[in-house]
Amino acid sequence: GQQVMQIPQYQHVQEGEDFTTYCNSSTTLSNIQWYKQRPGGHPVFLIQLVKSGEVKKQKRLTFQFGEAKKNSSLHITATQTTDVGTYFCAGNFGNEKLTFGTGTRLTIIP
Amino acid sequence: DGGITQSPKYLFRKEGQNVTLSCEQNLNHDAMYWYRQDPGQGLRLIYYSQIVNDFQKGDIAEGYSVSREKKESFPLTVTSAQKNPTAFYLCASSILDKNTEAFFGQGTRLTVV
Repeated sequence: GQQVMQIPQYQHVQEGEDFTTYCNSSTTLSNIQWYKQRPGGHPVFLIQLVKSGEVKKQKRLTFQFGEAKKNSSLHITATQTTDVGTYFCAGNFGNEKLTFGTGTRLTIIP
Repeated sequence: DGGITQSPKYLFRKEGQNVTLSCEQNLNHDAMYWYRQDPGQGLRLIYYSQIVNDFQKGDIAEGYSVSREKKESFPLTVTSAQKNPTAFYLCASSILDKNTEAFFGQGTRLTVV
C-alpha cells in the first residue's frame, strides 16, 4: 500500500536548539497534516497544508509542503521543554483514507 | 462537551479471551477509525468506517473485528486470533471531507497476560 515515511525516528536536542522532521511519500499527496502526541497522550492536530509549495507558521513552528506534493517538513526554532513528544505527518492519497507517517520522537535535554 | 471518548483507559485480559474496546463520539462525524500504536512506532490503521453499517479493513485487520450500528459508536473487538494484542489503541473520527483533521480519543492501553 501507499506509505508515508518520516525521518529521523528519534531526535534528541539541547533546549534552545532547532529541530526538523521530514516526511516523504513515493506518490503525490492531496494534502499533508501534522499532529503532535505528548508522552502518554493522544495525537492532536497541528495544521494542514494543501497547496504545492505552501509554507505556514505557528509561532516557533514552520511547516512546508513540497512543490511536487510528495514531501513535507516541520521545523521548530529554539526548542523548549514543552515541545517534547512525537510528531506525525499524515496525508491523503486522492480520496483514500488518511495515512500516518511513522513519527519522529523529540526529546529535549534541559 | 463535545468529543470522542474511549473506555476504559487501561485494560487487562488473559490470553485467549476476546475483549471489546469502546469508542463513542458526539461530534456528528461520519468517519471513524481504529489505530494501533506500539512503543516507538507510528499509527497503523486497523479498521475504518465512513457510514453506518459499513466498514473497511485497514492495514492490520487480522485478529480484529468492528461494528458500526450507530453513527456515534465504533467498538473494536480484539479476538483471540490476534497474536500480539498488547498495544495502545486509538480511536479517531472526522467529517468525510479528506481535507479535515482527525480527532482522537484518549486511547486504551490493552495488556494481555
